[in-house]
Amino acid sequence: DAGITQSPRYKITETGRQVTLMCHQTWSHSYMFWYRQDLGHGLRLIYYSAAADITDKGEVPDGYVVSRSKTENFPLTLESATRSQTSVYFCASSESGGGSTSSTDTQYFGPGTRLTVL
Amino acid sequence: SQQGEEDPQALSIQEGENATMNCSYKTSINNLQWYRQNSGRGLVHLILIRSNEREKHSGRLRVTLDTSKKSSSLLITASRAADTASYFCAYWTGGYQKVTFGTGTKLQVIP
Repeated sequence: DAGITQSPRYKITETGRQVTLMCHQTWSHSYMFWYRQDLGHGLRLIYYSAAADITDKGEVPDGYVVSRSKTENFPLTLESATRSQTSVYFCASSESGGGSTSSTDTQYFGPGTRLTVL
Repeated sequence: SQQGEEDPQALSIQEGENATMNCSYKTSINNLQWYRQNSGRGLVHLILIRSNEREKHSGRLRVTLDTSKKSSSLLITASRAADTASYFCAYWTGGYQKVTFGTGTKLQVIP
């Protein structure tokens, strides 16, 4: 099916464990993003990628690692999970990166992964 | 923080009434977008307004943009129970290829 998917949808892990959240899109969009959503903070950008092998930090990158070896995949890894990383994580993609007035800046979101770190 | 501010934080109205929510931002922008999020779901794009536009319509939605005041508003006319959701503005902080989301307005439409 075309679209953007995330896996797993729910994950419970323990402090100190490594966790990888997967994101896959079928549109061949150049840009992909990871956000976390917490009560009182709205959505905050963790990392983004402008193309395969090009990634950059967002507002809250500490404790997270990303890679993008293929255009369609953008995994997010928590190297050593902490309780403060308990959150809902959203992946998104877009054709372009916001440098113009183009409508191709529209972001398409996945359904989210609810992560609990005990 | 560059995070945009939205107000009100929460809004409760009767079905059929209009709902207005506002977004203020801090930087120059190329465009501003509005998204809806139903409980437990991802965000869905509603409408994009370019920096050289002042008003835009899409169905029951009307968006305005005032770049001199760095603010935007989203009006939902003739609201329905199905409009119950959180609404977020989002904008690119021009040149940095990073998008910033507002804090959101939680709208409840009472049947």
